[in-house]
Formats: sequence, C-alpha cells, structure tokens
Amino acid sequence: EPEVTQTPSHQVTQMGQEVILRCVPISNHLYFYWYRQILGQKVEFLVSFYNNEISEKSEIFDDQFSVERPDGSNFTLKIRSTKLEDSAMYFCASSLTGRYSYGYTFGSGTRLTVV
Amino acid sequence: AQSVSQHNHHVILSEAASLELGCNYSYGGTVNLFWYVQYPGQHLQLLLKYFSGDPLVKGIKGFEAEFIKSKFSFNLRKPSVQWSDTAEYFCAVNAGGGSQGNLIFGKGTKLSVKP
Repeated sequence: EPEVTQTPSHQVTQMGQEVILRCVPISNHLYFYWYRQILGQKVEFLVSFYNNEISEKSEIFDDQFSVERPDGSNFTLKIRSTKLEDSAMYFCASSLTGRYSYGYTFGSGTRLTVV
Repeated sequence: AQSVSQHNHHVILSEAASLELGCNYSYGGTVNLFWYVQYPGQHLQLLLKYFSGDPLVKGIKGFEAEFIKSKFSFNLRKPSVQWSDTAEYFCAVNAGGGSQGNLIFGKGTKLSVKP
C-alpha cells in the first residue's frame, strides 16, 4: 500500500534555528497538507498546497512557516526561527483530490523538539 | 468556528468489552465526518468516514459509527474490543462547501485495552 514518508522521525533543534521537515507524498497525489499536534492537544491544520502554491492556511501558519515542493517528489515545511512553542508532532498528508472522496493518507510524523 | 469535541480523554476497557467513543461537532451545514486511529508509533489511519446516505457507517476492524444529525454527533462503536485496539482515536470533520479539504480534529481519545 502506498505510504507518505516523513523524515526525520525526531528532530531536536535549538530555539532560533531553522528547521526543515521533509515529506514524500504518494506519487500520484495532487494535494498536500501539513498538520501539527502539540503534546496533549488536538491535531491542527497548518496548510494545504496544490498546483505549486498554498491553497489554504490556518492562523498558526504565520511568516515563520513556509512550504515548498522543490523537486516534484518532496514536500517540505520550513520553520525559519523556531520557538519553544513550535515543539510538536508534525504530520504530512496527501490526497488525490481536494475533496474527501478518497480521504487523506498521513505520514508517521516528525517529532520536533525545540530546546 | 467549527469545532470537534471528544469528551473522553482516556478510556480503559478489558478485552471483549463494548466500546463507544463520543464525538460532537459544531457546524450547522453539510459535513463530512471521519474517525482516524493512531496506533503507538504509527501514522494516522482512516477507520471510517461518512459523507451521505446511511447514517450507520461500517469501517475497518469491526468499528462502526452512527451519524445523528439532530445531536451533531458521530460516535464510534465496537461491540467487543481486543488488546490490539489499544490506540488513540481521533474524530474529524470537514465542513462542506468550498473548503479545499482541511480537517478539524478533536483532541483524541486514548483507548487502553487490558488483556
């Protein structure tokens, strides 16, 4: 069964540093998403991406965040200057269509710890 | 704003017990409803989804959920749980209309099944 792959599984970074979280979506999917889950809290939508541009973003996705699909296979989330409150599990997801007919496929997540 | 409430934070059951996990959402229009499961160390997996039609939806691994529109609820049930059902369960909603597909998640319910 096709999978969404995320690397690394766990990243520790110092406050103020830039981090890039990587995702390889399912190859024929067209819509890509990032979600995050702060420990003990709900999974929150960050951003959706289609046709090489952001299609929707939440209030959490401020100027410190950016996404990119640099080479047609990877989908990255960059946090420019990490803060302690960015510590969370970050999930990438992809879907064939932007509607829910096919659902999302989620990756295993990257646990980001900012110290 | 749309929201999803899962009232049980942690449910502990013995094997063969019946399970019901509550989920309520706040949105007056058309919704698509989902239950996802996250086994320890693994990614979010779709258990079942409701778009329209029969409000009693059957999913994988013997799970089912009932959409009760008048109660804004989509409770997850399983008649007889197994130790392998130990996981975290997330209810999610996608509001109908022009959304590109972002999900709104509940906080999750951790299920521990004692052998």
